[in-house]
Amino acid sequence: EPEVTQTPSHQVTQMGQEVILRCVPISNHLYFYWYRQILGQKVEFLVSFYNNEISEKSEIFDDQFSVERPDGSNFTLKIRSTKLEDSAMYFCASSERGLLSQGNQPQHFGDGTRLSIL
Amino acid sequence: GEDVEQSLFLSVREGDSSVINCTYTDSSSTYLYWYKQEPGAGLQLLTYIFSNMDMKQDQRLTVLLNKKDKHLSLRIADTQTGDSAIYFCAEIQMDSSYKLIFGSGTRLLVRP
Repeated sequence: EPEVTQTPSHQVTQMGQEVILRCVPISNHLYFYWYRQILGQKVEFLVSFYNNEISEKSEIFDDQFSVERPDGSNFTLKIRSTKLEDSAMYFCASSERGLLSQGNQPQHFGDGTRLSIL
Repeated sequence: GEDVEQSLFLSVREGDSSVINCTYTDSSSTYLYWYKQEPGAGLQLLTYIFSNMDMKQDQRLTVLLNKKDKHLSLRIADTQTGDSAIYFCAEIQMDSSYKLIFGSGTRLLVRP
C-alpha cells in the first residue's frame, strides 16, 4: 500500500539553526499538509499546500516557517531559526483531494520526524 | 469554537469490546475520523464517518455518531493485544477544506 515517507526520523539541532524536514507524499496525491505534536499535547495543524501555494495556515505557522515542493516528489518544511519550543514531532500528510465539495478526502500520515532543539 | 475531547486512558481485557469516546463542539463538522498511533509510528487512518450517518461498521470496528449530543464513539470488538495504541478522533469543518482538528488521544491498553 502506498505510504507517506518522512526523513529523518529524528533531527537534533542547536537553537537558532535552520532545519529542513522532508516528506515524500503518496504519488497521486495533490494536497499536502504539515502537523506537529508537542510532547503530551494534541496534534496541531500547521499548513496545507496545493498547486504550489499555501492553501491554509495556522497561527503557529509564522514567518519562521516555510514550505516548498522543490520537485515532483518532495515536500519540505523549513524552520529558519529554531527555538526551544519548536521541539516536537512533525507529521507530514497528503490527500488525493482537498475540497469538501469533491467528497471525502482522508489524509494519510507519515511516521513523523522527531525534532529536538538543544 | 473548535474543540475535540477524549478520555485519556482505557484498559480492557483481551477478547472484550473496547469503546473509545469523543466529543466535539462544532456542529458544522462534516467528516469525523479515527486514527491509530502505535509506539514510534505515525497516524494510521482507521475509519471515518460522514456527519449525515449514524453508524458505520467495518469488520471489528463500529463507529457511532450522535449529532445531537456531538458524541462520537469507536467500538472495537474482540479486542486483541495488537490493538494497544493511542486512538485519536479528528474532525473536518465546513469552514475549512483542509484542517483536521484532533482530540488529545485515548491510550488503549489491552491486558492478556
